[in-house]
Amino acid sequence: SSELTQPPSVSVSPGQTARITCSGDMLAKQYTYWYQQKTGQAPILVIYRDTERPSGIPERFSGSSSGATVTLTISEVQAEDEADYYCQSADSSGVEFGGGTKLTVL
Amino acid sequence: VQLVESGGGLVKPGGSLRLSCAASRFTFSDAWMSWVRQTPGKGLAWVARIKSKVDGETTDYAAPVQGRFIISRDDSKKILYLHMESLRVDDSAMYFCTDFAFWGQGTLVTVST
Repeated sequence: SSELTQPPSVSVSPGQTARITCSGDMLAKQYTYWYQQKTGQAPILVIYRDTERPSGIPERFSGSSSGATVTLTISEVQAEDEADYYCQSADSSGVEFGGGTKLTVL
Repeated sequence: VQLVESGGGLVKPGGSLRLSCAASRFTFSDAWMSWVRQTPGKGLAWVARIKSKVDGETTDYAAPVQGRFIISRDDSKKILYLHMESLRVDDSAMYFCTDFAFWGQGTLVTVST
């Protein structure tokens, strides 16, 4: 496994677009998964296999990938989207999480 | 799908603890399962993984727990385990069981004198 790097924080106003990046060598070869975690709650999967959205996750959540960098995009951000977001990937040796990004909705 | 962890608690440094995770409404036997921990106010940290029986039921561990923790599974009972030995203060955390699509609510482990 290798390190996954995320910005510690991102701030946007309601209705704007938030983009959270995750970078790491393993991402060029392995799928990335994104989780949303609100205070005191378990994480929730919001994007899997780089770009797929689980049922029940709003369409404003999307994922993209370019080489060793992946991006979680949240369009038309709402107050309820304020949370910590983590990227995650895995290979034959194990699983790696990014350090997390705190999304603040101003 | 429901994953329910149990077995957490207060233990002294050097002690042992076994965590359990009961799965329901879930094709448990097909899933690769993991334990992930989180210290209050900190990020998620993967602890251990066990593959399905079909994939060899092999296990992998994060470096900080290698040699001290053992992950196992009982597919007939749909239970995932984490046996933890030689516990350290820095093992204190909320421990979640997950297949990465679904997560339990966690069980709290506190290692303290």
